[in-house]
Amino acid sequence: EAGVAQSPRYKIIEKRQSVAFWCNPISGHATLYWYQQILGQGPKLLIQFQNNGVVDDSQLPKDRFSAERLKGVDSTLKIQPAKLEDSAVYLCASSFPGNTIYFGEGSWLTVV
Amino acid sequence: GIQVEQSPPDLILQEGANSTLRCNFSDSVNNLQWFHQNPWGQLINLFYIPSGTKQNGRLSATTVATERYSLLYISSSQTTDSGVYFCAVELLGNEKLTFGTGTRLTIIP
Repeated sequence: EAGVAQSPRYKIIEKRQSVAFWCNPISGHATLYWYQQILGQGPKLLIQFQNNGVVDDSQLPKDRFSAERLKGVDSTLKIQPAKLEDSAVYLCASSFPGNTIYFGEGSWLTVV
Repeated sequence: GIQVEQSPPDLILQEGANSTLRCNFSDSVNNLQWFHQNPWGQLINLFYIPSGTKQNGRLSATTVATERYSLLYISSSQTTDSGVYFCAVELLGNEKLTFGTGTRLTIIP
């Protein structure tokens, strides 16, 4: 069974530039999550989708971050404009509702 | 919001030793999971354990939901067990999974 796929794995951008991350969840998983993990901290939920609807986006900085999950499968997370403090690993995960959650390898972002 | 505290924050052990990691949470939960984050950043699910006890090889976990804590046991530690261990909980009536503060485990050969 294929796992959660993410791309790109690594990205370096200058502040005020934009970046987009892509995630393909495990086939059949209705729930998709985007987490932000800053070095030395635990993952923080940015947004959670159930199919293509948003369940929780209370910690998503909506002035600069956006996410979509068209057709209830793939998802993209965009940051525009990026700030230095956005340097982190962006983790995508998926699950059946209320079940074990599986993470991708993450997209490492450095903003300089 | 819910508070999820893990202890100890850091643990250094000799290979072959046993360890117990603890996760305390401040509210009733309907989902608790333990994860291992390896040195390359990959998060691997270890247990889905909202209550009771489960075992998988050298690892086992126990959650006492009524007392709001969970324990992860690692026996006969190996260097590949090094990394950060997180527990994550989901509140009753809320599907949001909140991660704890983590325990960094280092196994010395």
